[in-house]
Amino acid sequence: QVQLVESGGGVVQPGGSLRLSCAASGFTFSSYGMHWVRLAPGKGLEWVAFIQYDGSNKYYADHVKGRFTISRDNSKNTLYLQINSLRPEDTTVYYCAKDLDYGRLFMDVWGKGTTVTVSS
Amino acid sequence: IVLTQSPGTLSLSPGEGATLSCRASQSVRSNLAWYQRKPGQAPRLLIYDVFNRATGVPARFSGSGSGTEFTLTISSLQSEDFAVYYCQQYNNWPLTFGGGTKVEIK
Repeated sequence: QVQLVESGGGVVQPGGSLRLSCAASGFTFSSYGMHWVRLAPGKGLEWVAFIQYDGSNKYYADHVKGRFTISRDNSKNTLYLQINSLRPEDTTVYYCAKDLDYGRLFMDVWGKGTTVTVSS
Repeated sequence: IVLTQSPGTLSLSPGEGATLSCRASQSVRSNLAWYQRKPGQAPRLLIYDVFNRATGVPARFSGSGSGTEFTLTISSLQSEDFAVYYCQQYNNWPLTFGGGTKVEIK
């Protein structure tokens, strides 16, 4: 079945870096755009970044531009999120999610999330 | 585009109907989706393109609206429907979600 499994979360000090991964299975990963979404405390779901099926286009939320980098390896069916200069407010659950179809930009399959904690 | 959801919390009993609102700061045409999130679970796509139910979503969930005003209606709440609901616009970058409406058991 279609499945997304995130990993790479953990506890990191402010200013540190982390790379999140999302392993995809059950569908042709290279045919779909992919998203990262996080659960902002007290604010609900917060879209973070999107990458086109072939990696040619990437889009970011304004508040993460310059610190977050989305990437993918279609040969490994894996999505990544590199997070640099981590701040306490980045502490939350990060989800990867699959686009329903080309260019649709909403998410029909989600992982269960990986938790990032930024603390000294 | 800012999406404002109301109310913040709905306290209802099983069997009652629920009406959730999502207002956009500018037109998103028909590019609006709704999601359900339960604690510890992955969010679930319910509705896309304002009124299309995602695969496997029960018919008691329906969406309506256009432009800047949208509604998610749950016709008769089942126990599994008590959750937080979010709208999302995909008309403009950056993509945005509303702040959520929590539907809780009264």
